[in-house]
Amino acid sequence: AQSVTQLDSHVSVSEGTPVLLRCNYSSSYSPSLFWYVQHPNKGLQLLLKYTSAATLVKGINGFEAEFKKSETSFHLTKPSAHMSDAAEYFCVVSVTGGGADGLTFGKGTHLIIQP
Amino acid sequence: DGGITQSPKYLFRKEGQNVTLSCEQNLNHDAMYWYRQDPGQGLRLIYYSQIVNDFQKGDIAEGYSVSREKKESFPLTVTSAQKNPTAFYLCASSSPGRGSEKLFFGSGTQLSVL
Repeated sequence: AQSVTQLDSHVSVSEGTPVLLRCNYSSSYSPSLFWYVQHPNKGLQLLLKYTSAATLVKGINGFEAEFKKSETSFHLTKPSAHMSDAAEYFCVVSVTGGGADGLTFGKGTHLIIQP
Repeated sequence: DGGITQSPKYLFRKEGQNVTLSCEQNLNHDAMYWYRQDPGQGLRLIYYSQIVNDFQKGDIAEGYSVSREKKESFPLTVTSAQKNPTAFYLCASSSPGRGSEKLFFGSGTQLSVL
Protein backbone atom coordinates (compact mmCIF):
# COMPACT_ATOMS: atom_id res chain seq x y z
CA ALA A 1 0.00 0.00 0.00
CA GLN A 2 1.16 3.52 -0.67
CA SER A 3 -0.09 7.02 -0.09
CA VAL A 4 1.07 10.58 -0.48
CA THR A 5 0.17 13.69 1.47
CA GLN A 6 0.78 17.21 0.26
CA LEU A 7 0.81 19.26 3.41
CA ASP A 8 -0.37 22.55 1.92
CA SER A 9 -3.28 23.02 -0.47
CA HIS A 10 -2.12 26.58 -1.28
CA VAL A 11 1.27 28.29 -1.02
CA SER A 12 1.79 31.97 -1.74
CA VAL A 13 5.24 33.53 -2.19
CA SER A 14 6.59 36.76 -3.60
CA GLU A 15 8.45 36.75 -6.89
CA GLY A 16 12.18 36.25 -6.28
CA THR A 17 11.75 34.50 -2.91
CA PRO A 18 12.26 30.77 -2.24
CA VAL A 19 9.58 28.17 -2.86
CA LEU A 20 8.92 25.16 -0.63
CA LEU A 21 6.17 22.65 -1.45
CA ARG A 22 5.91 19.85 1.09
CA CYS A 23 5.19 16.18 0.43
CA ASN A 24 5.18 13.17 2.74
CA TYR A 25 4.76 9.64 1.47
CA SER A 26 4.03 6.17 2.75
CA SER A 27 5.09 3.04 0.90
CA SER A 28 5.56 -0.61 1.80
CA TYR A 29 8.24 -0.96 -0.83
CA SER A 30 11.14 1.02 -2.20
CA PRO A 31 9.35 4.02 -3.68
CA SER A 32 9.79 6.05 -6.79
CA LEU A 33 8.73 9.66 -6.27
CA PHE A 34 7.77 12.33 -8.76
CA TRP A 35 6.71 15.94 -8.94
CA TYR A 36 4.44 17.02 -11.76
CA VAL A 37 3.32 20.56 -12.61
CA GLN A 38 -0.01 21.55 -14.18
CA HIS A 39 -0.63 24.98 -15.62
CA PRO A 40 -4.27 26.12 -15.89
CA ASN A 41 -6.41 23.98 -18.20
CA LYS A 42 -3.38 21.96 -19.28
CA GLY A 43 -2.08 18.45 -18.82
CA LEU A 44 0.60 17.57 -16.31
CA GLN A 45 4.31 17.82 -17.04
CA LEU A 46 7.04 15.91 -15.21
CA LEU A 47 9.31 18.21 -13.17
CA LEU A 48 11.59 15.60 -11.67
CA LYS A 49 11.74 12.04 -10.37
CA TYR A 50 13.55 10.05 -7.71
CA THR A 51 14.25 6.36 -8.33
CA SER A 52 16.80 5.34 -5.64
CA ALA A 53 19.85 7.05 -7.14
CA ALA A 54 21.02 10.40 -5.72
CA THR A 55 18.77 11.67 -2.93
CA LEU A 56 18.93 15.25 -4.23
CA VAL A 57 17.17 15.39 -7.56
CA LYS A 58 17.36 18.31 -9.96
CA GLY A 59 14.53 18.97 -12.33
CA ILE A 60 13.47 21.42 -14.97
CA ASN A 61 12.96 25.17 -14.48
CA GLY A 62 15.33 25.34 -11.49
CA PHE A 63 13.32 23.04 -9.23
CA GLU A 64 14.86 20.36 -7.06
CA ALA A 65 13.68 17.88 -4.44
CA GLU A 66 15.38 15.93 -1.68
CA PHE A 67 14.41 12.38 -0.75
CA LYS A 68 14.63 11.90 3.04
CA LYS A 69 13.85 8.33 3.98
CA SER A 70 14.02 8.97 7.73
CA GLU A 71 11.36 11.67 7.40
CA THR A 72 9.45 9.96 4.55
CA SER A 73 9.51 13.29 2.76
CA PHE A 74 10.13 14.54 -0.77
CA HIS A 75 9.79 18.32 -0.59
CA LEU A 76 10.08 20.45 -3.73
CA THR A 77 12.14 23.64 -3.63
CA LYS A 78 13.27 26.48 -5.85
CA PRO A 79 15.63 29.26 -4.75
CA SER A 80 13.84 32.10 -6.49
CA ALA A 81 10.22 32.08 -7.66
CA HIS A 82 9.21 33.39 -11.06
CA MET A 83 5.75 34.48 -12.14
CA SER A 84 5.65 31.61 -14.62
CA ASP A 85 5.91 29.13 -11.72
CA ALA A 86 2.29 29.84 -10.75
CA ALA A 87 0.58 26.48 -11.23
CA GLU A 88 -0.70 23.34 -9.50
CA TYR A 89 1.96 20.91 -8.31
CA PHE A 90 1.40 17.22 -7.67
CA CYS A 91 3.57 14.84 -5.65
CA VAL A 92 3.31 11.25 -6.87
CA VAL A 93 4.49 7.94 -5.41
CA SER A 94 4.97 4.59 -7.10
CA VAL A 95 6.61 1.28 -6.43
CA THR A 96 9.95 1.37 -8.24
CA GLY A 97 9.53 -0.43 -11.54
CA GLY A 98 5.83 -0.82 -10.94
CA GLY A 99 4.66 1.05 -14.00
CA ALA A 100 2.40 4.05 -14.43
CA ASP A 101 -0.78 2.15 -13.51
CA GLY A 102 0.51 1.99 -9.93
CA LEU A 103 0.94 5.73 -9.41
CA THR A 104 -0.72 7.44 -6.45
CA PHE A 105 -1.24 11.19 -6.82
CA GLY A 106 -1.36 13.73 -4.03
CA LYS A 107 -4.21 16.24 -3.98
CA GLY A 108 -2.04 19.03 -5.27
CA THR A 109 -0.59 22.31 -4.02
CA HIS A 110 -1.63 25.52 -5.72
CA LEU A 111 1.39 27.84 -5.96
CA ILE A 112 0.60 31.54 -6.11
CA ILE A 113 3.30 34.03 -7.01
CA GLN A 114 2.81 37.59 -5.78
CA PRO A 115 4.42 40.33 -7.89
CA ASP B 1 5.55 17.49 -33.05
CA GLY B 2 5.09 14.34 -31.00
CA GLY B 3 2.46 14.42 -28.35
CA ILE B 4 -1.00 13.56 -27.13
CA THR B 5 -4.08 15.24 -28.54
CA GLN B 6 -7.36 15.29 -26.65
CA SER B 7 -10.60 16.52 -28.13
CA PRO B 8 -12.83 18.28 -27.66
CA LYS B 9 -11.46 20.78 -25.15
CA TYR B 10 -14.95 21.36 -23.72
CA LEU B 11 -17.90 18.96 -23.82
CA PHE B 12 -21.42 19.15 -22.51
CA ARG B 13 -23.59 16.16 -21.70
CA LYS B 14 -27.34 15.98 -21.39
CA GLU B 15 -29.10 13.67 -18.92
CA GLY B 16 -29.09 10.07 -20.11
CA GLN B 17 -26.61 10.74 -22.90
CA ASN B 18 -23.38 8.89 -23.62
CA VAL B 19 -20.44 11.01 -24.71
CA THR B 20 -17.04 10.02 -26.06
CA LEU B 21 -13.76 11.76 -25.39
CA SER B 22 -11.01 11.35 -27.94
CA CYS B 23 -7.33 10.71 -27.19
CA GLU B 24 -4.72 10.25 -29.90
CA GLN B 25 -0.93 9.92 -29.50
CA ASN B 26 1.92 9.85 -31.99
CA LEU B 27 4.64 8.98 -29.47
CA ASN B 28 4.55 5.28 -30.38
CA HIS B 29 3.79 4.47 -26.75
CA ASP B 30 2.28 1.11 -25.89
CA ALA B 31 0.51 2.16 -22.69
CA MET B 32 -2.30 4.69 -22.43
CA TYR B 33 -4.32 5.93 -19.46
CA TRP B 34 -7.44 7.90 -18.59
CA TYR B 35 -7.58 9.98 -15.41
CA ARG B 36 -10.33 12.00 -13.84
CA GLN B 37 -9.46 15.23 -12.01
CA ASP B 38 -11.86 16.97 -9.63
CA PRO B 39 -11.11 20.36 -8.02
CA GLY B 40 -8.82 20.01 -5.01
CA GLN B 41 -8.29 16.33 -5.70
CA GLY B 42 -5.48 14.33 -7.14
CA LEU B 43 -5.83 12.38 -10.33
CA ARG B 44 -7.78 9.13 -10.17
CA LEU B 45 -7.23 6.35 -12.68
CA ILE B 46 -10.30 5.33 -14.70
CA TYR B 47 -8.93 2.82 -17.23
CA TYR B 48 -5.59 1.91 -18.70
CA SER B 49 -4.30 -0.12 -21.60
CA GLN B 50 -0.87 -1.68 -21.85
CA ILE B 51 -1.31 -2.98 -25.38
CA VAL B 52 -3.71 -2.89 -28.31
CA ASN B 53 -6.98 -4.80 -27.79
CA ASP B 54 -6.43 -5.04 -24.05
CA PHE B 55 -7.40 -2.74 -21.19
CA GLN B 56 -7.93 -2.87 -17.43
CA LYS B 57 -10.15 -1.07 -14.97
CA GLY B 58 -8.59 1.51 -12.74
CA ASP B 59 -9.83 2.76 -9.40
CA ILE B 60 -13.04 4.43 -10.64
CA ALA B 61 -14.12 2.56 -13.79
CA GLU B 62 -17.85 2.39 -13.03
CA GLY B 63 -19.89 4.38 -15.54
CA TYR B 64 -17.08 4.53 -18.09
CA SER B 65 -15.98 2.37 -21.02
CA VAL B 66 -12.97 2.35 -23.33
CA SER B 67 -11.63 0.65 -26.44
CA ARG B 68 -8.12 0.19 -27.80
CA GLU B 69 -8.41 -0.88 -31.41
CA LYS B 70 -5.33 1.03 -32.53
CA LYS B 71 -2.07 1.79 -30.77
CA GLU B 72 -2.52 5.51 -31.36
CA SER B 73 -6.06 5.84 -30.04
CA PHE B 74 -7.75 5.28 -26.67
CA PRO B 75 -11.24 6.83 -26.59
CA LEU B 76 -13.20 7.10 -23.35
CA THR B 77 -17.00 6.90 -23.27
CA VAL B 78 -18.79 8.43 -20.32
CA THR B 79 -22.06 6.52 -20.10
CA SER B 80 -25.39 7.54 -18.64
CA ALA B 81 -24.57 5.28 -15.69
CA GLN B 82 -21.97 7.80 -14.53
CA LYS B 83 -24.12 10.00 -12.31
CA ASN B 84 -21.52 12.65 -11.55
CA PRO B 85 -19.56 13.10 -14.77
CA THR B 86 -18.58 16.75 -14.39
CA ALA B 87 -14.78 16.77 -14.18
CA PHE B 88 -11.57 17.42 -16.07
CA TYR B 89 -10.45 14.32 -17.96
CA LEU B 90 -6.82 13.70 -18.77
CA CYS B 91 -5.35 11.16 -21.14
CA ALA B 92 -1.74 10.05 -20.79
CA SER B 93 0.71 7.60 -22.28
CA SER B 94 3.99 5.99 -21.31
CA SER B 95 6.63 3.88 -22.97
CA PRO B 96 7.41 0.39 -21.65
CA GLY B 97 10.40 -0.69 -19.65
CA ARG B 98 12.62 1.33 -17.33
CA GLY B 99 11.10 4.70 -16.60
CA SER B 100 7.65 3.58 -17.61
CA GLU B 101 6.24 5.54 -14.68
CA LYS B 102 6.87 8.76 -16.59
CA LEU B 103 3.61 9.91 -18.08
CA PHE B 104 3.03 12.21 -21.02
CA PHE B 105 -0.27 14.06 -20.76
CA GLY B 106 -2.71 15.62 -23.15
CA SER B 107 -4.25 19.02 -22.45
CA GLY B 108 -7.48 17.59 -21.12
CA THR B 109 -11.22 17.73 -21.77
CA GLN B 110 -13.59 19.57 -19.42
CA LEU B 111 -16.90 17.71 -19.28
CA SER B 112 -19.95 19.42 -17.87
CA VAL B 113 -23.57 18.36 -17.45
CA LEU B 114 -26.31 20.52 -18.93
